[in-house]
Amino acid sequence: DIQMTQSPSSLSASVGDRVSFTCRASQSISSYLNWYQQKPGKAPRLLIYAASTLQSGVPSRFSGTGSGTDFTLTISSLQPEDFATYYCQQSYRAPPWTFGLGTKVEIK
Amino acid sequence: DVQLVESGGGLVKPGGSLRLSCATSGFTFSSYGLNWVRQAPGMGLEWVSSISGSGSDIYYADSVKGRFTISRDNAKNSLYLQMKSLRAEDTAIYYCARDLSGYDPGDFDYWGQGTLVTVSS
Repeated sequence: DIQMTQSPSSLSASVGDRVSFTCRASQSISSYLNWYQQKPGKAPRLLIYAASTLQSGVPSRFSGTGSGTDFTLTISSLQPEDFATYYCQQSYRAPPWTFGLGTKVEIK
Repeated sequence: DVQLVESGGGLVKPGGSLRLSCATSGFTFSSYGLNWVRQAPGMGLEWVSSISGSGSDIYYADSVKGRFTISRDNAKNSLYLQMKSLRAEDTAIYYCARDLSGYDPGDFDYWGQGTLVTVSS
């Protein structure tokens, strides 16, 4: 199975900050990488698919880059509603689809 | 609007069975693959099972293979997960999630609110 490693596991930031966090796959997954946002008590929300394509309705301050094994999610100007946990997930070829353990973004 | 609504969760003893349902609306049901994804309390997300739009392609995580059965009823726009031989480690919120596209599975664009399954004596 493809293992997904996210770093850091948590970070503290202030409103308006530019923040980035990474996801690394244990083997090349081309651009089959998705990012989800999850707030406490809520279902995950798809933010970005195919490594860099913004899902409909997602603010443009979110962006994704990368291919192969290394990927990055960037929030250009952190907003109060962005404090959440972010998961990466690979969808390369056949299942099992695997998720990273998440990066929790907290208020500084 | 696309909606997915899970039901059927609850408290069950180890070794017991439970059947989860996911009622959907707002899209052409048979055109999309569907999935079950679970989240143990305080933990991350774990993909559990997938079924294609026609029902012909089915996949399971190794952790549930042989114990869980995914199915769908395209006439009722509903997805199911039959769970047997339940273990404490199956305790989780179970989400149903739709594939983003009908031909490229594994990207989950709509999720239900989840249903909690607790396995405990």
